[in-house]
Amino acid sequence: NAGVTQTPKFRILKIGQSMTLQCTQDMNHNYMYWYRQDPGMGLKLIYYSVGAGITDKGEVPNGYNVSRSTTEDFPLRLELAAPSQTSVYFCASTNNRAGTEAFFGQGTRLTVV
Amino acid sequence: GESVGLHLPTLSVQEGDNSIINCAYSNSASDYFIWYKQESGKGPQFIIDIRSNMDKRQGQRVTVLLNKTVKHLSLQIAATQPGDSAVYFCAETGGGADGLTFGKGTHLIIQP
Repeated sequence: NAGVTQTPKFRILKIGQSMTLQCTQDMNHNYMYWYRQDPGMGLKLIYYSVGAGITDKGEVPNGYNVSRSTTEDFPLRLELAAPSQTSVYFCASTNNRAGTEAFFGQGTRLTVV
Repeated sequence: GESVGLHLPTLSVQEGDNSIINCAYSNSASDYFIWYKQESGKGPQFIIDIRSNMDKRQGQRVTVLLNKTVKHLSLQIAATQPGDSAVYFCAETGGGADGLTFGKGTHLIIQP
């Protein structure tokens, strides 16, 4: 099993550009999450999904959008990139409603200049 | 707002010694507490969790202790090895599907 796969691993964006961070999991997990991690900090929840067709906002959703058309994929969209969105982004999934034993991807390091 | 935090940002221990990483939480409604390990350049990796109705849980070389009276959580790693060097995060959840709240992390450094 590949687990949770994120692409790209690194990206530099100019202010105002848009991009989609891809996340796919092959474990048939219902619950998926996007977090961001700023330097020296813990992870903050951006969006989450409890199943295909269902998404909801987390703690820091502004400037982001998500979709969940399939169980496997949970892409994160940045429409107008801003320097404040410079961060490392992690996608995670679990089959546990409480979300305790989540599997994380390797992360996408995004820099907005 | 309520949050999960850690007492120390860095912990240095001798190889072979036991490590104890501490975490304070303030949300008394949390139902699960979880420890994650994050190695440099990688995503967090689940270590162990404990439900709020328990005070101790053991895994392989790790023990998590929960003291609800003082809202304190700790992770004990027995016989610390070089591969244990990482940042350790505590996290909490109310048990719903709305994700985890993470603390800032403790960097565990293993001295040879």
